[in-house]
Amino acid sequence: SQQGEEDPQALSIQEGENATMNCSYKTSINNLQWYRQNSGRGLVHLILIRSNEREKHSGRLRVTLDTSKKSSSLLITASRAADTASYFCATARRGDYKLSFGAGTTVTVRA
Amino acid sequence: NAGVTQTPKFQVLKTGQSMTLQCAQDMNHEYMSWYRQDPGMGLRLIHYSVGAGITDQGEVPNGYNVSRSTTEDFPLRLLSAAPSQTSVYFCASSYSSGDRERNGYTFGSGTRLTVV
Repeated sequence: SQQGEEDPQALSIQEGENATMNCSYKTSINNLQWYRQNSGRGLVHLILIRSNEREKHSGRLRVTLDTSKKSSSLLITASRAADTASYFCATARRGDYKLSFGAGTTVTVRA
Repeated sequence: NAGVTQTPKFQVLKTGQSMTLQCAQDMNHEYMSWYRQDPGMGLRLIHYSVGAGITDQGEVPNGYNVSRSTTEDFPLRLLSAAPSQTSVYFCASSYSSGDRERNGYTFGSGTRLTVV
């Protein structure tokens, strides 16, 4: 069964606005990762946050992790048309190679 | 580096036919895995391998076989295709332990399979 669930399922914003999506998971994790998938393409790794970290930044991306609530959020600031894609969270448990993915959030950035 | 290469990109099979989806990586990654992606369901793990000669089942292994004779290649075999196996298949690879945590997984561009 899937470990993560993203919310919302779909998001439409204006270029320049911020986009926020959330991920909830069920069991204890070692790390949580976010991936982007452009239409018809493979997934691209964006950022990884470890279970002992609370916030991480990479360029226009900001990820938070709250292990007490078993949730994470991904914020994309100053969105661009090129950010239009599906975004997936994936969790890894301690000592386990396997990643469990959520169903994803589809983000559309309008020009 | 080419990264993770999947072939073919598209395939149509008739029910009952067999075929092999190819996956190759040139990054010397120990870990390789196969996922299928269906609308609204995210990615589900089919099989994975932590090194040459070592494979294990994921979440949805039925109807699929794998082998790992080399570090570079991890083919996925459909034994007798069924319409329920219509999906997009992704191969992913990564380093072990610390490097994997820093760099995440590298995905191929996918194989879109239709079984009629």
